Amino acid sequence: GAGVSQSPRYKVAKRGQDVALRCDPISGHVSLFWYQQALGQGPEFLTYFQNEAQLDKSGLPSDRFFAERPEGSVSTLKIQRTQQEDSAVYLCASSFYSEQFFGPGTRLTVL
Amino acid sequence: SQQGEEDPQALSIQEGENATMNCSYKTSINNLQWYRQNSGRGLVHLILIRSNEREKHSGRLRVTLDTSKKSSSLLITASRAADTASYFCATDEGGRGGSEKLVFGKGTKLTVNP
Repeated sequence: GAGVSQSPRYKVAKRGQDVALRCDPISGHVSLFWYQQALGQGPEFLTYFQNEAQLDKSGLPSDRFFAERPEGSVSTLKIQRTQQEDSAVYLCASSFYSEQFFGPGTRLTVL
Repeated sequence: SQQGEEDPQALSIQEGENATMNCSYKTSINNLQWYRQNSGRGLVHLILIRSNEREKHSGRLRVTLDTSKKSSSLLITASRAADTASYFCATDEGGRGGSEKLVFGKGTKLTVNP
């Protein structure tokens, strides 16, 4: 079937705006992860869901970041009052067991 | 925080040559994975090696794992221009197994010149 999809692919926000990033995982994948990738760096873990339960949110950098997966499928990462340091690529991945399959990412630029 | 460190940070070779990238990590692991990322694209899974395995092959890829040294290497044989990308190792920090967050290194940027 289709891979992991993310939307939008690109988002430009003015500082202080709220943004919402969407992830559609591979059908049947129980686990869903969000990562943040700064320019020239490897991805860094943000949060993890198993079905609709958020089991680990230790990587969320501040309380401005919020993620949900209410029906255990599609997930949304919301960033409130965006700051310039939030500029990065946000990657979503889903997995059934060990191998994680990544989406193309959303490139967020905060002006 | 990032657990692994890839070495070298950048590598430039000619088409047909072999490319070797190394990765070191800090904690015990269940498995180690290698990913490729082309410019502006998402991560593509290349190969997974479990902590009880020492070597694994997939096509032109060969991965080794030395848990005593907490290190892994990725060898790409007979490189092609299309192999130009950044390569990342990722570990699962030895959790309970199954789906666990991945901890990535900073990556090796490989350039294969035609």
